[in-house]
Amino acid sequence: QVQLVESGGALVKVGGSLRLSCAASGFRFSDYYMSWIRQAPGKGLESVSYMTSSGRDTFYAESVKGRFTISRDNAKNSLYLDMSNLTTEDTAVYFCGRGKGSYGSVPVDYWGQGTLVSVSS
Amino acid sequence: DIQMTQSPSTLSASVGDRVTITCRASENINVLLAWYQQKPGKAPKLLIYRASNLETGVPSRFSGSGSGTEFNFTINSLQPDDFATYYCQHYNRYSRTFGQGTKVDIK
Repeated sequence: QVQLVESGGALVKVGGSLRLSCAASGFRFSDYYMSWIRQAPGKGLESVSYMTSSGRDTFYAESVKGRFTISRDNAKNSLYLDMSNLTTEDTAVYFCGRGKGSYGSVPVDYWGQGTLVSVSS
Repeated sequence: DIQMTQSPSTLSASVGDRVTITCRASENINVLLAWYQQKPGKAPKLLIYRASNLETGVPSRFSGSGSGTEFNFTINSLQPDDFATYYCQHYNRYSRTFGQGTKVDIK
């Protein structure tokens, strides 16, 4: 069955950096677009970044553009999110999500359990 | 950016009720809209995609309708397991935006 397992969440200081990872299994990873979605404590969902199956196209929310970088290793069935220059506004649970297809005009049909990033001043 | 306005923000209902949530887009999004259910401490779950398509395994009491800028999500005969928060989401190749969420709680 489809499984997405995030890791890498931690408590970091403002201005710090972090790399999140998402290990995928149960499907042909290279056939699907993948994304990161976050949820601040007690708040709604925000789409942070996504990448097409080939890695050719990427999307970033304005709030993270220039600070976050999404990448994938199809040989390792893994998705990554490199985050830098973190602010307290980045504090959230970060979910990894699989797109219902190979490129962007599809919703997320499978979600990981999330990993918590806390940014302190 | 396309904005998604979801209403109401909270909805109190009883088991067996029919409930409807509305999502409005700031511009035409055709049918590129999904609905998700989220329970506390859990990841969201896809219920509806392309505005009206029921995801595999989702009970038929859930339904979606609409196109363009106005969309509805309906739960017929609310069940105890349905008390949760529901989000709409617009998605396309260049952007994706969630609505603010609607919490369905027990009256």
